[in-house]
Amino acid sequence: EPEVTQTPSHQVTQMGQEVILRCVPISNHLYFYWYRQILGQKVEFLVSFYNNEISEKSEIFDDQFSVERPDGSNFTLKIRSTKLEDSAMYFCASSDRWGTGELFFGEGSRLTVL
Amino acid sequence: SQQGEEDPQALSIQEGENATMNCSYKTSINNLQWYRQNSGRGLVHLILIRSNEREKHSGRLRVTLDTSKKSSSLLITASRAADTASYFCATPGDTGNQFYFGTGTSLTVIP
Repeated sequence: EPEVTQTPSHQVTQMGQEVILRCVPISNHLYFYWYRQILGQKVEFLVSFYNNEISEKSEIFDDQFSVERPDGSNFTLKIRSTKLEDSAMYFCASSDRWGTGELFFGEGSRLTVL
Repeated sequence: SQQGEEDPQALSIQEGENATMNCSYKTSINNLQWYRQNSGRGLVHLILIRSNEREKHSGRLRVTLDTSKKSSSLLITASRAADTASYFCATPGDTGNQFYFGTGTSLTVIP
């Protein structure tokens, strides 16, 4: 069964460092998302992406965040200068439909900022 | 906020019992989805119900939607220990470009 894969599964970084989280969405999906979940808390929307551009972003997704689809398979989330409060689980998701499509999630990348 | 709110926050039941979780939301929607998350894992889609549907079944899952009350419920019948997980409702945003997740219900099924 096709799945969304994320790397790394866990990254530890120092405050102020840049981090890139990688995702390989399901191959025929066109809509991509990043969510984050601080430990034990709710799942928060960060950004949606379609046709090589951001469709929607939340207030969390400030200038420190960026997304990119550098090739036909990868979808990346970059945090330029990490803060302690960026520590969370980051989930990538993809869908084949807009608005009514099931979201397929990866297993997440746990980011720990020290 | 457009996010749903699940109720209760935590639920503990014996294996074999039914579990009911509720979700309330604030804006008009064209569909609502339920997801499950095992501890430390990604979310898995369970079921989608459209705004013109009142009830939907999938195996041991039964979902209802009341658009007049802006609420939905997820019923898991004959629960199993393997059903232990967090359950989230998700609603589309205004533009359909994103889904907002609720705060989740943590379900524990005791063998």
